[in-house]
Amino acid sequence: AQTVTQSQPEMSVQEAETVTLSCTYDTSENNYYLFWYKQPPSRQMILVIRQEAYKQQNATENRFSVNFQKAAKSFSLKISDSQLGDTAMYFCAFMKVDYGQNFVFGPGTRLSVLP
Amino acid sequence: EPEVTQTPSHQVTQMGQEVILRCVPISNHLYFYWYRQILGQKVEFLVSFYNNEISEKSEIFDDQFSVERPDGSNFTLKIRSTKLEDSAMYFCASSTRGTQYFGPGTRLTVL
Repeated sequence: AQTVTQSQPEMSVQEAETVTLSCTYDTSENNYYLFWYKQPPSRQMILVIRQEAYKQQNATENRFSVNFQKAAKSFSLKISDSQLGDTAMYFCAFMKVDYGQNFVFGPGTRLSVLP
Repeated sequence: EPEVTQTPSHQVTQMGQEVILRCVPISNHLYFYWYRQILGQKVEFLVSFYNNEISEKSEIFDDQFSVERPDGSNFTLKIRSTKLEDSAMYFCASSTRGTQYFGPGTRLTVL
C-alpha cells in the first residue's frame, strides 16, 4: 500500500517571499502520478500541479513548481512570490497509473501567507 | 470550464436516517469517486466507480454505503443509517486521464 507523508503541519511565509512544502511517499510502483491540491477556507479542492513519474523534468505552473526526486521518493512544492490568496491547506496526493485508481492523500500542510 | 457539482452544500440529519448525496461529474469523464474529510483531518478515499460498477472501495465503505449512477449524469452516495461519526465533508470527483477534478463538497452533519 502507498503512503504519503507531509512533515510540516503548518507553515507561514511573508507575502512576495518563496516557500517550499515537503512531501514524501512510499510505493513499490514505478509508474504513477503525483499531485498537489490546494484547499482554501471554502474547502474546495483545487488542483495546483501534477507530475508524471516517468518525466524527469519538474512540472511548473506559473508561480508553482515542484522538485521531484524519484529515487528519494520526494515531491516538494515551491511557491514563488507568495500571495495572500495562497493561504490554504495543501495536500500532496499519489495515484498509480491505472486509470480508475484512487488518490492517496497526505495529511496536509496549512500555509499562511502573511501581509 | 466544466466542473463537478454537488448538492446539497450542507445536509443536516438525525442519527439513523438515510441520506443521499448527489454529484454531477464532468460530462465526458469515465471515472467517478467519493472521498470524505472529517474536520481537521486528511481526505480519505471511499469508493471509485467505472463502467457502472464499483472498481475499488476502502474499508470505510461498509454495507451502510452504496453508490449509484441512476442516469447519464448523476452519481449518488447513499448512507443507509447515519452515525455520528459520518459527520464530515464528502467530496465527489471525476476523471478521464489521471487528474481528478473535485466538486465543492457536501457538509454532512449527523445529530
